[in-house]
Amino acid sequence: QVQLQGSGPGLVKPSETLSLTCLVSGYSISRSYYWGWIRQSPGRGLEWIGSIYHTGKTYYNPSLMSRATISVDTSKNEFSLRLSSLTAADTAVYYCARAGGIGSGNFDYWGQGTLVTVSS
Amino acid sequence: DIQMTQSPSSLSASVGDKVTITCQASQDITNSCNWYHQRPGKAPKLLIYDASRLEIGVPLTVSGRGYGTEFSLTISSLQSEDIGTYYCQQYAILPFTFGQGTKLEIK
Repeated sequence: QVQLQGSGPGLVKPSETLSLTCLVSGYSISRSYYWGWIRQSPGRGLEWIGSIYHTGKTYYNPSLMSRATISVDTSKNEFSLRLSSLTAADTAVYYCARAGGIGSGNFDYWGQGTLVTVSS
Repeated sequence: DIQMTQSPSSLSASVGDKVTITCQASQDITNSCNWYHQRPGKAPKLLIYDASRLEIGVPLTVSGRGYGTEFSLTISSLQSEDIGTYYCQQYAILPFTFGQGTKLEIK
């Protein structure tokens, strides 16, 4: 059974960098699929941040203006998100998810979500 | 970016009712539309992919249809566990985008 477990700090200061990790169990990241990050806030709704393949190939949402970096560690079967230059607008629940299907846009397994608050 | 506009934004219906939620894309996305269900405090769950294909484990009371710019999700017989918020999502053109959500409640 595929399971995703996200982890990271719940509170970060403005201008700092957020680091989140998603540990995958029940499926080897190296086999297939893209692996993505999505966030949700009352003001912006659900917003796709970006996705990565096990080879390291990445796609990002241009709205993040190059602040996001997604990486993968196949030896640990996990992938990570770094989001820099944080502001209050980045306060959200951050989800990691598996992305399959045509266009790799079908998010079929999700982590539990990590609430991140940006505040001094 | 492609805008996905859902209607209605909220809906109240009785157990056993048939309910339909619609989603309009700002440009042609062929059949590249997914539907998700989210319960409070939980992650979204994929229900329908490729506009009309039922994800494994989803009840047959749920169905999706549409092509181009008009899509819909139908629950043929509403059950109490169907409450929550429903989202459409397009994956035809990056960046992937979601609708604003339709909140479904039981009368």
